[in-house]
Amino acid sequence: GDSVTQMEGPVTLSEEAFLTINCTYTATGYPSLFWYVQYPGEGLQLLLKATKADDKGSNKGFEATYRKETTSFHLEKGSVQVSDSAVYFCALREGTGTASKLTFGTGTRLQVTL
Amino acid sequence: NAGVTQTPKFQVLKTGQSMTLQCAQDMNHNSMYWYRQDPGMGLRLIYYSASEGTTDKGEVPNGYNVSRLNKREFSLRLESAAPSQTSVYFCASSLDTSNTEAFFGQGTRLTVV
Repeated sequence: GDSVTQMEGPVTLSEEAFLTINCTYTATGYPSLFWYVQYPGEGLQLLLKATKADDKGSNKGFEATYRKETTSFHLEKGSVQVSDSAVYFCALREGTGTASKLTFGTGTRLQVTL
Repeated sequence: NAGVTQTPKFQVLKTGQSMTLQCAQDMNHNSMYWYRQDPGMGLRLIYYSASEGTTDKGEVPNGYNVSRLNKREFSLRLESAAPSQTSVYFCASSLDTSNTEAFFGQGTRLTVV
């Protein structure tokens, strides 16, 4: 079945450092890929998405490129801020209708310090 | 904009008690989901409803039942709570196409003692 593998955290960075959170996936077809973010005490919010190979999703300075050849969707940001401290989830969605469910990775906690 | 609303936000149950978690969405979405979130395990799908009148098991359905009351509402019931069901529960909804995202509620933190 479908699966998503994320790098384990926590990831601790100083403010303005470069961020990469790795995500790889296994799917039978051509899924859509998502990054969600969860701030403390809140639900998940969509950060960005990509729906086909070579698409780049971007939002709030974060970027991720759908790489079919390496089955990856790594999240990057050039300069992190303290306010980016959160848990980040990679997810995929494949199929339509009754078969269309989101499959999540285990999440990566990011802590940014001054 | 309410989005997805879950109640209650917090609940403590004794082993063997029952309760129902409520979820409602106002985005006219067809699909609704219940997930549980546990440390180190990400989000795991309990049940989902692809459309009004249908429900299907997800990855971890044992010990739970669901009801899709109408298009807006999707409830999760624990008939006899167990400590292993201590978790944070999230309801979500989406359009039923593969390239659209899910919208999540704020979560219910459930503790079973």
